[in-house]
Amino acid sequence: GAVVSQHPSRVICKSGTSVKIECRSLDFQATTMFWYRQFPKQSLMLMATSNEGSKATYEQGVEKDKFLINHASLTLSTLTVTSAHPEDSSFYICSARGEPSYEQYFGPGTRLTVT
Amino acid sequence: AQSVTQLDSQVPVFEEAPVELRCNYSSSVSVYLFWYVQYPNQGLQLLLKYLSGSTLVKGINGFEAEFNKSQTSFHLRKPSVHISDTAEYFCAVSDGGTSYGKLTFGQGTILTVHP
Repeated sequence: GAVVSQHPSRVICKSGTSVKIECRSLDFQATTMFWYRQFPKQSLMLMATSNEGSKATYEQGVEKDKFLINHASLTLSTLTVTSAHPEDSSFYICSARGEPSYEQYFGPGTRLTVT
Repeated sequence: AQSVTQLDSQVPVFEEAPVELRCNYSSSVSVYLFWYVQYPNQGLQLLLKYLSGSTLVKGINGFEAEFNKSQTSFHLRKPSVHISDTAEYFCAVSDGGTSYGKLTFGQGTILTVHP
């Protein structure tokens, strides 16, 4: 089956710094990637949808200047949390979708802790 | 707009007993429905999906779900659970644009299987 990886799996950073999370589709070309965040004991909330080569579409309430998304190739999307604060601590999960099945495949997630 | 309600936040059950995890949805368009499983600190794994056709859908690990349009439900069932089924389960609905459009998730149900 299709495999999606995320790196890093865990990251701890100081308040005010920026963190980059990578999402890669390992064996298929992902025309669309989705970024979700999940707070403890809560569901996944879609943050943004990115299509290769174009700007990401952010969900209402998500700050596009704080959560920078780049989808520069068909196998890689990155999420950069800029000037991170403790309230940004969360589990970030990406998913990738590609032709022909268009099914979404989820990455293993990245645990971000901001101290 | 679409929404998903998982009626039980936690379901405890004994090993080898049957289980049903309930999911109701609302949508103004045709829906595609999914069940995902999430083990601690991991991403999501697709259990099964309903796109069209037979309303009884069989998935991996012995799970099945039935799409009931009149009751707007998509309950997940397993006739005999194992300890290894302990996890969190999410019901999700996609928008009507494509089979695998943006996903809206329910709040999740934690299934705990006791020996």
